[in-house]
Amino acid sequence: GNSVTQMEGPVTLSEEAFLTINCTYTATGYPSLFWYVQYPGEGLQLLLKATKADDKGSNKGFEATYRKETTSFHLEKGSVQVSDSAVYFCAQVALNRDDKIIFGKGTRLHILP
Amino acid sequence: EAGVTQFPSHSVIEKGQTVTLRCDPISGHDNLYWYRRVMGKEIKFLLHFVKESKQDESGMPNNRFLAERTGGTYSTLKVQPAELEDSGVYFCASSQEGSVQPGVGANVLTFGAGSRLTVL
Repeated sequence: GNSVTQMEGPVTLSEEAFLTINCTYTATGYPSLFWYVQYPGEGLQLLLKATKADDKGSNKGFEATYRKETTSFHLEKGSVQVSDSAVYFCAQVALNRDDKIIFGKGTRLHILP
Repeated sequence: EAGVTQFPSHSVIEKGQTVTLRCDPISGHDNLYWYRRVMGKEIKFLLHFVKESKQDESGMPNNRFLAERTGGTYSTLKVQPAELEDSGVYFCASSQEGSVQPGVGANVLTFGAGSRLTVL
């Protein structure tokens, strides 16, 4: 079945460091891909998305590129801030199938000042 | 615009007791979803309402879980009797009408902050 696998956390970085959170997926066909973020005490928020191969989603300095050949959607940011500390979830929705979002386990990110 | 509201934010109960979680979606959103995250695991789909009707409840773990959405507004999720393995964070999400992919176009899901359930 469809699934999402993302790197285990927690990930701890210093401010201004480069961030990569790996995400790979398995799916029949070509799903839409998402990154959600949950800041402390808040709900899940859509961070960025890509709906077809080679699309790049971007928001708040974060980027992720839909790579069909490697079935990946890695999240990157060139210079993280303390305010980026949160839990990040990679997710997919398969086109023309049931409309459930399939999430990864989440990666907790700690940014040290 | 108010977001998706869930309460309680945290509930601690003993095994065998009953808990009811509530979700108030964004006004006018026909789609309402419940998801659950058990500690350290994926966020998993529980069920989907379209207005007051259950569109898909294939993710409900067993008959100890009962979800309702009377009048197509707020929804409740009751766990009775609660077991230890029910502990986790229960998320509610809502989106506008339409059967397109959630998260795409106008059907972007808005999630609540979650209700944390601890069963002792």
